[in-house]
Amino acid sequence: SYELTQPPSVSVSPGQTARITCSGDALPKKYAYWYQQKSGQAPVLVIYEDSERPSGIPERFSGSTSGTMATLTISGAQVEDEADYYCYSTDSGGDHWVFGGGTKLTVL
Amino acid sequence: EVQLVESGGGLVQPGGSLRLSCTASRFTLSSYWMSWVRQAPGKGLEWVANIKEDGSEKFYVDSVEGRFTISRDNARNSLYLQMNSLRVEDTAVYYCVTGSYWGQGTLVTVSS
Repeated sequence: SYELTQPPSVSVSPGQTARITCSGDALPKKYAYWYQQKSGQAPVLVIYEDSERPSGIPERFSGSTSGTMATLTISGAQVEDEADYYCYSTDSGGDHWVFGGGTKLTVL
Repeated sequence: EVQLVESGGGLVQPGGSLRLSCTASRFTLSSYWMSWVRQAPGKGLEWVANIKEDGSEKFYVDSVEGRFTISRDNARNSLYLQMNSLRVEDTAVYYCVTGSYWGQGTLVTVSS
């Protein structure tokens, strides 16, 4: 079955740039989506269709793709950005969706 | 404010069944693909199933294929998940999802 691979954890200091990667064979052809999940809360969409930002999401959140890798970048990360981040996409057939394993972002 | 509200979760024995419901308010569910996503305690997110706007196409993660059935009633603005032959590993919070909209989740616990 299709898999998306993320690093388990990323750590940065406040104000630094955090980059979270997501690797998957179908990413050159399929959009990536990124969700933020804070402890005890439902996930929040922060990036859709590789690089689009929903209304209300701060501009410091951006997304990009290159080949089989999608990247979520948080420019000038803040303490309130500490959360688990999940990438989300479909297999090459577009029928089955999958989440990456999640990346715990620590900002301190 | 858009709301998706799940219900129907609870404690069930292995092999048992549950039917989850999701009702939308201030949101026309019939215009969107809808999904169920689950999260086991302390674990990551897992896509479970999705259904096309008119219900004509449905897809499932391999681990629930043949046991779970997703359906919708657009007239009632509702989404459902019929879960049969439940296993301990199905224990999770189940979310009703479309794009940026998520419900608050309903907990399903499968245990003897």
